[in-house]
Amino acid sequence: DGGITQSPKYLFRKEGQNVTLSCEQNLNHDAMYWYRQDPGQGLRLIYYSQIVNDFQKGDIAEGYSVSREKKESFPLTVTSAQKNPTAFYLCASSIVNRAEAFFGQGTRLTVV
Amino acid sequence: GQQLNQSPQSMFIQEGEDVSMNCTSSSIFNTWLWYKQDPGEGPVLLIALYKAGELTSNGRLTAQFGITRKDSFLNISASIPSDVGIYFCAGPSDPNNNDMRFGAGTRLTVKP
Repeated sequence: DGGITQSPKYLFRKEGQNVTLSCEQNLNHDAMYWYRQDPGQGLRLIYYSQIVNDFQKGDIAEGYSVSREKKESFPLTVTSAQKNPTAFYLCASSIVNRAEAFFGQGTRLTVV
Repeated sequence: GQQLNQSPQSMFIQEGEDVSMNCTSSSIFNTWLWYKQDPGEGPVLLIALYKAGELTSNGRLTAQFGITRKDSFLNISASIPSDVGIYFCAGPSDPNNNDMRFGAGTRLTVKP
């Protein structure tokens, strides 16, 4: 089945540690996105990528990094520079220049 | 970036009632999307709207693209318990559909 997979579903890390969230898609989409969701708020864009080896910052890129070495994969690293990393992280993909994005099931990151 | 104002923030309704929610923007959008998010999951695309005045249905859901291109409405008829969740409006803030903006969501509770 085609889809977008995020792993793990739940992640716990100690403060000061970097952590990488996985996102894989087999929809053959060129564009991929990372969003952050906090309670009572809409989704905020962290990074997006329209093509392999290229990516752009979203509104809240500080403290995060990404890579796009393969079309299918767009991992997000939450670095120790991110001041408030505990959140629900959502990965999405779409056909380039099409608005309709399809989401993974999310990763809930808790930093203690 | 552009803000999407979604209202109401939450709704508590009885099973069988109809529901209406809306989303407004200070700027013109070329596409409006409506998503539903179940607790702990990623949003799922419900309806996509592409031109002003368009009215589109998906089962008991009907959405409209406002004539001014600055608003959109989502109606749910004859609500059922599984309609519970958060409904988000979304739209691309740039012509290339790269920067999707989301409203803060309407949390729907349906009482049996």
